[in-house]
Amino acid sequence: SYGLTQPPSVSVSPGQTASITCSGDKLGDKSVSWYQQKPGQSPVMVIYQDTKRPSGIPERFSGSNSGNTATLTISGTQAMDEADYYCQAWDISTHYVFGTGTAVTVL
Amino acid sequence: EVQLVESGGGFVQPGGSLRLSCVASGLIFSKYWMSWVRQAPGKGLEWVANIKQDGSEKYYVDSVKGRFTISRDNAKNSLHLQMNSLRVEDTAVYYCAKSYSRDYMDVWGKGTTVTLSS
Repeated sequence: SYGLTQPPSVSVSPGQTASITCSGDKLGDKSVSWYQQKPGQSPVMVIYQDTKRPSGIPERFSGSNSGNTATLTISGTQAMDEADYYCQAWDISTHYVFGTGTAVTVL
Repeated sequence: EVQLVESGGGFVQPGGSLRLSCVASGLIFSKYWMSWVRQAPGKGLEWVANIKQDGSEKYYVDSVKGRFTISRDNAKNSLHLQMNSLRVEDTAVYYCAKSYSRDYMDVWGKGTTVTLSS
């Protein structure tokens, strides 16, 4: 079955850039979304279709997807960005697959 | 404002059944694919099932095929998940999610908790 691998944790200083990778076979051929989940809350979509940002999501969130790796980048990270982040890939055969999740800590 | 409100969770013994519901408001429910996604305690997200706008297509993760059935009632803006032959590993928070486009889930409910215990 298809799998997506993320680093378990990423640490970043306030104001710096955090990059979270998501790896999977030929991931660049699929549509990738990213979700932010804070403790005790539901997931919130922060990036869809590789690079698009929903209304209300700050511009510091951006995404890319090529080859076998998708990346979520948080520029100028703020304390409020501390959360778990999940990538999700979709195609018509595998449907939805979520990544293993990354805990972002803002030190 | 779009809202999804899940209900129907609870405690159940292995082998038992439960029916989850999700009521949508603030949207034209019949226009969207809908999904159930679950999250076991301390674990990541797992897609469970989804259903096309008119209910003509339904898809499931392998681990629930033959045990879970997704359905919808567009007249009542509601989504359901009938869960039979429940196993301990089905313990999770179950989220209802809407897909503006089939490839992502743009709105999520707050979830309902299903706990299996012998």
